[in-house]
Amino acid sequence: NAGVTQTPKFRVLKTGQSMTLLCAQDMNHEYMYWYRQDPGMGLRLIHYSVGEGTTAKGEVPDGYNVSRLKKQNFLLGLESAAPSQTSVYFCASSTQGTPSFDEQYFGPGTRLTVT
Amino acid sequence: AQTVTQSQPEMSVQEAETVTLSCTYDTSESDYYLFWYKQPPSRQMILVIRQEAYKQQNATENRFSVNFQKAAKSFSLKISDSQLGDAAMYFCAYRPYYNTDKLIFGTGTRLQVFP
Repeated sequence: NAGVTQTPKFRVLKTGQSMTLLCAQDMNHEYMYWYRQDPGMGLRLIHYSVGEGTTAKGEVPDGYNVSRLKKQNFLLGLESAAPSQTSVYFCASSTQGTPSFDEQYFGPGTRLTVT
Repeated sequence: AQTVTQSQPEMSVQEAETVTLSCTYDTSESDYYLFWYKQPPSRQMILVIRQEAYKQQNATENRFSVNFQKAAKSFSLKISDSQLGDAAMYFCAYRPYYNTDKLIFGTGTRLQVFP
């Protein structure tokens, strides 16, 4: 049981390049999330999904797209990377929505640098 | 809008001593969850403790306990018998009872533990 895994762990992009971050979970969770973490700030929600085939915007969605084609995978795409997207990206998953308590399990993070 | 404030960017404690990390939040809702997450240098986000707002009793998990003051909107974390492995960033987080997408984080407190 690997939990939540993220690929890659590190990446350096040039401005304007595109890339996809992959998140996978083996806990059969319905909900998945993408966050970004910047220095001096907590995690901020980019996009999330409440089930296979669904996506929704979070607090800071601009410049990102996501897809949830399979229940266990949640992809985060950057179509045209900008230096402002330099950050550490975290994926998380949880069992179900409200109102019951559902702990979010986090992946190890991906450090992305855009030059 | 809900906000979470951690006013202590850094704290330090000696091994075996007790330290308290502060967190305040702002919300107009009556039902919600509060969390403390630990982020060690490995970057992995680890749930330390959680509190349901409808419970008056303060949550406890081994050496970790909280002081939940609902009226004051305060949620502090007490670490007893501090260990070197407790050194990490600690994030306070808030989640409304009915919106699973809204996990709102504070800016974090870096805890150093000295031998």
